[in-house]
Amino acid sequence: SYELTQPPSVSVSPGQTASISCSGDKLGDKYACWYQQKPGQSPVLVIYQHSKRPSGISERFSGSNSGNTATLTISGTQAMDEADYYCQAWYSSTAVFGGGTKLTVL
Amino acid sequence: QVQLVQSGAEVKKPGASVKVSCKASGYTFTSYGISWVRQAPGQGLEWMGWISAYNGNTNYAQKLQGRVTMTTDTSTSTAYMELRSLRSDDTAVYYCARDASGQGMDVWGQGTTVTVSS
Repeated sequence: SYELTQPPSVSVSPGQTASISCSGDKLGDKYACWYQQKPGQSPVLVIYQHSKRPSGISERFSGSNSGNTATLTISGTQAMDEADYYCQAWYSSTAVFGGGTKLTVL
Repeated sequence: QVQLVQSGAEVKKPGASVKVSCKASGYTFTSYGISWVRQAPGQGLEWMGWISAYNGNTNYAQKLQGRVTMTTDTSTSTAYMELRSLRSDDTAVYYCARDASGQGMDVWGQGTTVTVSS
């Protein structure tokens, strides 16, 4: 089976840049997506196809994907960005989620 | 506006079945697929499967094969997920999500809490 690995937690100071990684075998060959989930809420798609932002998602969110690693970058991090973030990709007609990363804005 | 509205919370006994509905509005139902994703308390997201609203084709997560069935009713733009032989570890919030192949799960339902307890 295919696995996506994320760090359990990332901390960032307000206004700084946060980077969350997601690693998987040849992940760069697949479309990676990123979801934000705040406590008690449904997930929200923030990045798809490696680096595209859905309508309504802040330009502060960006994505990249190369080799075995996809990265979600949040520039000018704000308190409202504190949430769990999940990467996701498709492998052999199966959707796979990473274990999630809790982003703390200190 | 585009939205998915799910049915209400359920409490079931071990061994029972549950059927969750997901009613779509604001878009052409048959132009997208629907993925079902669950989240156990304090845990991450787990993909359960996908159904094409166009032709009913399905892909299920291997661990749920034989226990899960996903269907759609195009006349009411509603997707359904039935899970059988429920166990305590099926206790979770169940989400439906609009899934445009390769473009991510871009619209999510509000979630349905399913509690399995004797």
